Amino acid sequence: AQKITQTQPGMFVQEKEAVTLDCTYDTSDPSYGLFWYKQPSSGEMIFLIYQGSYDQQNATEGRYSLNFQKARKSANLVISASQLGDSAMYFCAMREAQTGANNLFFGTGTRLTVIP
Amino acid sequence: NAGVTQTPKFQVLKTGQSMTLQCAQDMNHEYMSWYRQDPGMGLRLIHYSVGAGITDQGEVPNGYNVSRSTTEDFPLRLLSAAPSQTSVYFCASRRGSGGQETQYFGPGTRLLVL
Repeated sequence: AQKITQTQPGMFVQEKEAVTLDCTYDTSDPSYGLFWYKQPSSGEMIFLIYQGSYDQQNATEGRYSLNFQKARKSANLVISASQLGDSAMYFCAMREAQTGANNLFFGTGTRLTVIP
Repeated sequence: NAGVTQTPKFQVLKTGQSMTLQCAQDMNHEYMSWYRQDPGMGLRLIHYSVGAGITDQGEVPNGYNVSRSTTEDFPLRLLSAAPSQTSVYFCASRRGSGGQETQYFGPGTRLLVL
């Protein structure tokens, strides 16, 4: 079974609008962390935001927020006020506490295109 | 502070050749790892290290070797390159074992095996 599922291969958003990128996860470990990374066309992986399984509040980092719904096992990324520079691939990832301290499981990604 | 560096940026190999992808970090991070990224897929873990002298296998270790003689360096060796190893390789590091520790990635190495 896939540990991280991103069902949107591609998304379009108008500049200055908000967009939500979906991510669902599968784990039986009560302790885990969820991450979002951005990969622009240049190829590097840029860390955006982190949510811990025990965190009571949704994580926020500037224009990025994570809509964490634990019961539904979803960790959607919300980008507010989209900018042209937000066009990139976005990956959701999870680290479980029990199954290998260093293994980060990635989804297949969502390609976001911001339209002027 | 250069972060995580990788060399080379691009490499073309013939089937059966061997090579070493270099990775170095200057953040004194304990944890280092190698991932590969194939088209249409996320990153998959090849090998990782939790400190100098300690390495372990990840999700897709076959055909690769690693060693960690220093905290800074974590080279990845392809023993006998195969076309299936055509991929983009990322090295990453993080400070410790805490679940919230951010993983920092290098710029990647694009490898083509003919």
